[in-house]
Amino acid sequence: KAGVTQTPRYLIKTRGQQVTLSCSPISGHRSVSWYQQTPGQGLQFLFEYFSETQRNKGNFPGRFSGRQFSNSRSEMNVSTLELGDSALYLCASSPWTSGSPSSYEQYFGPGTRLTVT
Amino acid sequence: DAKTTQPPSMDCAEGRAANLPCNHSTISGNEYVYWYRQIHSQGPQYIIHGLKNNETNEMASLIITEDRKSSTLILPHATLRDTAVYYCIVRALRGGSEKLVFGKGMKLTVNP
Repeated sequence: KAGVTQTPRYLIKTRGQQVTLSCSPISGHRSVSWYQQTPGQGLQFLFEYFSETQRNKGNFPGRFSGRQFSNSRSEMNVSTLELGDSALYLCASSPWTSGSPSSYEQYFGPGTRLTVT
Repeated sequence: DAKTTQPPSMDCAEGRAANLPCNHSTISGNEYVYWYRQIHSQGPQYIIHGLKNNETNEMASLIITEDRKSSTLILPHATLRDTAVYYCIVRALRGGSEKLVFGKGMKLTVNP
């Protein structure tokens, strides 16, 4: 099976711009989560989508949003970029099944490295 | 969810077993122990999980103490490619969205 793919891999944007990142999960996985990783804060949960619905959201401002399509592909958007948004954005997919410990088996993509100048 | 404590770093010689400790003294009966690792500049990689029995897969073994207050991830024959940050995570199933909460992890350096 192909792994989780994320595009683009690298991105440079200017403060105030917006950006859209894309994630294609492993075939058959319906749960997609997004994480932000910075040297200072480590890995932090952004949000999780399942069957096109956001089920969980981390503690990030409303400038961070996402969506999931019927084929489970997901996008996240960051509007009005700030310097502090420079980070590695990671997408993970999971074969989520209610009540199963495999729900925490998340398979991560390589990430998108976003630099805001 | 129970908090985990890992040493910040450890070294291991290539070819030897690497034993990575994790303390989770406040773990509840319904909480699982998960291990992930992150090789530099890559996304985290799921390794293994367990509840109370010892578990083994092609990557590693997980030994959970009888009282479940601590566990050890064992890489039987460490290679240079095992150099990574290892995360021990304790989570309970909630029947809904299951998000991972990563701590600082432990940096394992495998030396030639």
